[in-house]
Amino acid sequence: AQRVTQPEKLLSVFKGAPVELKCNYSYSGSPELFWYVQYSRQRLQLLLRHISRESIKGFTADLNKGETSFHLKKPFAQEEDSAMYYCALRANSGYALNFGKGTSLLVTP
Amino acid sequence: ETGVTQSPTHLIKTRGQQVTLRCSSQSGHNTVSWYQQALGQGPQFIFQYYREEENGRGNFPPRFSGLQFPNYSSELNVNALELDDSALYLCASSFNQGFGGYTFGSGTRLTVV
Repeated sequence: AQRVTQPEKLLSVFKGAPVELKCNYSYSGSPELFWYVQYSRQRLQLLLRHISRESIKGFTADLNKGETSFHLKKPFAQEEDSAMYYCALRANSGYALNFGKGTSLLVTP
Repeated sequence: ETGVTQSPTHLIKTRGQQVTLRCSSQSGHNTVSWYQQALGQGPQFIFQYYREEENGRGNFPPRFSGLQFPNYSSELNVNALELDDSALYLCASSFNQGFGGYTFGSGTRLTVV
């Protein structure tokens, strides 16, 4: 069975501080991992996916198959990063995105 | 290029009634997926339509059904509404079953009373 766990419901950091949003998954095959973000009053949008290995808005995420993790990191948080962040997994043989419950990031000045 | 549009934005229904939610996919996309997002939860996959055929389904009962039309727009139908069906229903479109990622709509907020 596939499962995505985001252990923190809420993460509060100061502006300029590093931020790490945790995501752990369970899946026996080779998954495709994503981070989606939802800013206040906006729709869910793709932030990044592990296969593209790119940095978006200063965020990066590395897939660690040994630890089955896909943590999202940013070295210096900005107030505009405050949003709800969802980690999602897609099985290599499937089509559905399996989402975690999300972490609300609050960046305070 | 237009994004994914969903209608209506809000809806209140009575337990036992039926509801139809609509989704227009992004231009160039031929795949539509539907998700249910309960309060405080992540979105849960309901089903996916590709070229007018359902080709994937999550753990939802048969009273959740759908359609995809030749223009790739889609409907989600829910029969015999229950209080637990109250949620935000999200539609996501993509090209060829998720190739290149999914574009989400703003959702329809359904309240069952």
